[in-house]
Amino acid sequence: DTGVSQDPRHKITKRGQNVTFRCDPISEHNRLYWYRQTLGQGPEFLTYFQNEAQLEKSRLLSDRFSAERPKGSFSTLEIQRTEQGDSAMYLCASSPYISTSNYEQYFGPGTRLTVT
Amino acid sequence: KQEVTQIPAALSVPEGENLVLNCSFTDSAIYNLQWFRQDPGKGLTSLLLIQSSQREQTSGRLNASLDKSSGRSTLYIAASQPGDSATYLCAVRRNNAGNMLTFGGGTRLMVKP
Repeated sequence: DTGVSQDPRHKITKRGQNVTFRCDPISEHNRLYWYRQTLGQGPEFLTYFQNEAQLEKSRLLSDRFSAERPKGSFSTLEIQRTEQGDSAMYLCASSPYISTSNYEQYFGPGTRLTVT
Repeated sequence: KQEVTQIPAALSVPEGENLVLNCSFTDSAIYNLQWFRQDPGKGLTSLLLIQSSQREQTSGRLNASLDKSSGRSTLYIAASQPGDSATYLCAVRRNNAGNMLTFGGGTRLMVKP
């Protein structure tokens, strides 16, 4: 296990369709985060999990967005009824929940979503 | 609400030059600060993490400093190389929070051979 992986790397969809992204964190990390990054901007926090519990959600996460981490391992992010404004890079990160690690976050390669 | 600003937004320098990237944040109650590198269309690579109790961290040609009381951090890159061309992002983690990071908008660096 060499790092955080995300699938797919690229997704093109038509407006109104539903899409689902997957993130596999580093295996011993029990915290998992989702961020969204639009072109030319820094990433913005969406939500995070500690094990299977979703502990915080950003106001950016509208009702069309839902995230799960059912077994405390991989996570999925679903966007329903996609809109052109959803076009962005969706980044996943993970971190261990131990103070000796400084809670450092490790990021995956991202999923680039284009809504046409 | 924490806000993070990075100046300049873009920077172009000749190879070999030493350079400084700036990051400022509005709420000094942070747990730590991370500097990341992002290549076009790629994810983020962590460069340096500074705890709130630390003043600086070094890794190779990179040195990051933190002045929490003034809400500032700098990333110093020595002897820049064309391979350093990328976007550099700083991010802060709040105290006693869910570990979410608040990012600046990044500095796009171009090092010309």
